[in-house]
Amino acid sequence: DIVMTQTPLSLSVTSGQPASISCRSSQSLLHSDGKTYLYWYLQKPGQSPQLLIYQVSSRFSGVPNRFSGSGSGTDFTLKISRVEAEDVGVYYCMQGTSFPHTFGQGTKLEIK
Amino acid sequence: QVQLVESGGGVVQPGRSLRLSCEAFGFSFDIYGMHWVRQAPGKGLEWVAVIWSDGSNKYYVDSVKGRFTISRDNSKNTLYLQMNILRAEDTAVYYCVRGGQQRGDYWGQGTLVTVSS
Repeated sequence: DIVMTQTPLSLSVTSGQPASISCRSSQSLLHSDGKTYLYWYLQKPGQSPQLLIYQVSSRFSGVPNRFSGSGSGTDFTLKISRVEAEDVGVYYCMQGTSFPHTFGQGTKLEIK
Repeated sequence: QVQLVESGGGVVQPGRSLRLSCEAFGFSFDIYGMHWVRQAPGKGLEWVAVIWSDGSNKYYVDSVKGRFTISRDNSKNTLYLQMNILRAEDTAVYYCVRGGQQRGDYWGQGTLVTVSS
């Protein structure tokens, strides 16, 4: 199984400041079809997770452009250019390249 | 609009069975693969199983293989998870999740399964 490792596990950021979360996989996430199936989700308190980024860097419909994803192979990053209060919650990366799909441990973002 | 509504959760004794359902609304259910993802209390997300749009392929996480079965009825726009020989470690909120290229673009509200004597 592919192991997904997120860092940091918690993040305290002042509103308006940037934030960055790293996600590393134990194997390359490049699929034989040429795509890389790396996803980012945000679970706000008391809610179901919501999709932010799919296939490394494509922003899902309605997701603010302050969220961006990048990376390739085994190293990926989610960046928030200016954190807002509504961004608090737990962020998860997930690989969908092979089965079983696997999630990172989650990164809890709070506002300082 | 797209909606996924899970049901069937509850309290069950270890070793017993439970069947979860997820009814889909607002999209062509029969063209999407569907997943179950669970979250133990206070813990992170764990992918459980997937089924292809036509039911032809299914994959499971090792911890549920041989005990859980994912299935679907496209005529009823409904996804199922049959859970047998339940263990305390299966206690979690179970989410129904839409697949496809934008995997996880829609999640249900979740249904809580508690395995306890």
